[in-house]
Amino acid sequence: GESVGLHLPTLSVQEGDNSIINCAYSNSASDYFIWYKQESGKGPQFIIDIRSNMDKRQGQRVTVLLNKTVKHLSLQIAATQPGDSAVYFCAENNSNSGYALNFGKGTSLLVTP
Amino acid sequence: GAVVSQHPSRVICKSGTSVKIECRSLDFQATTMFWYRQFPKKSLMLMATSNEGSKATYEQGVEKDKFLINHASLTLSTLTVTSAHPEDSSFYICSANDRRVNTDTQYFGPGTRLTVL
Repeated sequence: GESVGLHLPTLSVQEGDNSIINCAYSNSASDYFIWYKQESGKGPQFIIDIRSNMDKRQGQRVTVLLNKTVKHLSLQIAATQPGDSAVYFCAENNSNSGYALNFGKGTSLLVTP
Repeated sequence: GAVVSQHPSRVICKSGTSVKIECRSLDFQATTMFWYRQFPKKSLMLMATSNEGSKATYEQGVEKDKFLINHASLTLSTLTVTSAHPEDSSFYICSANDRRVNTDTQYFGPGTRLTVL
């Protein structure tokens, strides 16, 4: 079936390094993608989004890259800080799904000093 | 902007009782609200979608008579877990968006931890 998944369940990086979290999707009709950050015991926090008519979008310290050819999405975090430690989820939707989000499995990012 | 609150943040109840969870959009009007359930170290699982003033649409496998959803206004949706059992213990999260402004971006509440004894 259609799914959104992540390549790596856990990622450990040193403080100050750049982090890259990857996500693969299978639904070719997906046209909107979001990255969320979830800290323990809290709800997901919106980080950045991108539509399928773009291949790159930048925010503050974060960049999302979309490769529609291989159905791949990535989140890059520059100069990773301890406060970035959390679980990161990619999510997608399309008009056929009634605007409900389909979440990936999540990647746990651990930033070590 | 785009703040969503949930109440309560944590609730413990006895088996067989009903629990109501509120989801409010504080600074925008939510034409659509979504309810998710999340087990430890797992992803979010969509339970239902509710549009203001109409009946909720439930995902396959979610019992609508057990998880009652009401979306009576543009700022409030409630989820009532009826006759709760220990297997209903979970983290329940709502999200909201204003489809008149943006059909896609959902803003999430902080979640409600339900423990059924």
